[in-house]
Amino acid sequence: TQLLEQSPQFLSIQEGENLTVYCNSSSVFSSLQWYRQEPGEGPVLLVTVVTGGEVKKLKRLTFQFGDARKDSSLHITAAQPGDTGLYLCAGTYSGAGSYQLTFGKGTKLSVIP
Amino acid sequence: NAGVTQTPKFRILKIGQSMTLQCAQDMNHNYMYWYRQDPGMGLKLIYYSVGAGITDKGEVPNGYNVSRSTTEDFPLRLELAAPSQTSVYFCASSYVAANTEAFFGQGTRLTVV
Repeated sequence: TQLLEQSPQFLSIQEGENLTVYCNSSSVFSSLQWYRQEPGEGPVLLVTVVTGGEVKKLKRLTFQFGDARKDSSLHITAAQPGDTGLYLCAGTYSGAGSYQLTFGKGTKLSVIP
Repeated sequence: NAGVTQTPKFRILKIGQSMTLQCAQDMNHNYMYWYRQDPGMGLKLIYYSVGAGITDKGEVPNGYNVSRSTTEDFPLRLELAAPSQTSVYFCASSYVAANTEAFFGQGTRLTVV
């Protein structure tokens, strides 16, 4: 079983602050996805990164895939209360069945107005 | 579009009882998955299917069974429920493989007492 480590596990910040959450593995990812989950709902895809060094932006969210494809980060600029939720990274690995998504434990973000 | 529909949303089972969690998708996706999510944890893969008639075990299959007789439906069967199976269960589907977006249902919250 491949392990995905996410940090921090919990994050509570004031509205307007910036933050970064991390996703790491000892193995090389074939691809990595970031999902956001709200209470009582299923996860919803934010982005998929495939190429080492890739950077994708989604409004105030910036996603980076490490050059070695073993790590990824999610940076939020000027956080808003609507960003509150559980952020999950999910990866597929070289050599593993491509139909298995392995999830990290998630980062629970609270943005205080 | 309905997307991925799970029923029921909530259920309380007594130890030793059995039940089937229903999952249906209307997006003509080949891949379907069942995950469980425990408090403070990410999603763990129970079973997955790459098409009608084909299923395979994920990370935590013990105590569960699945079938995939049609593209649309992927029910999860719990035999002899145990307190350790208390969790939130999510069904998901994707078009091709795990590198593409997985669409999740709203989840079934199961309590075994």
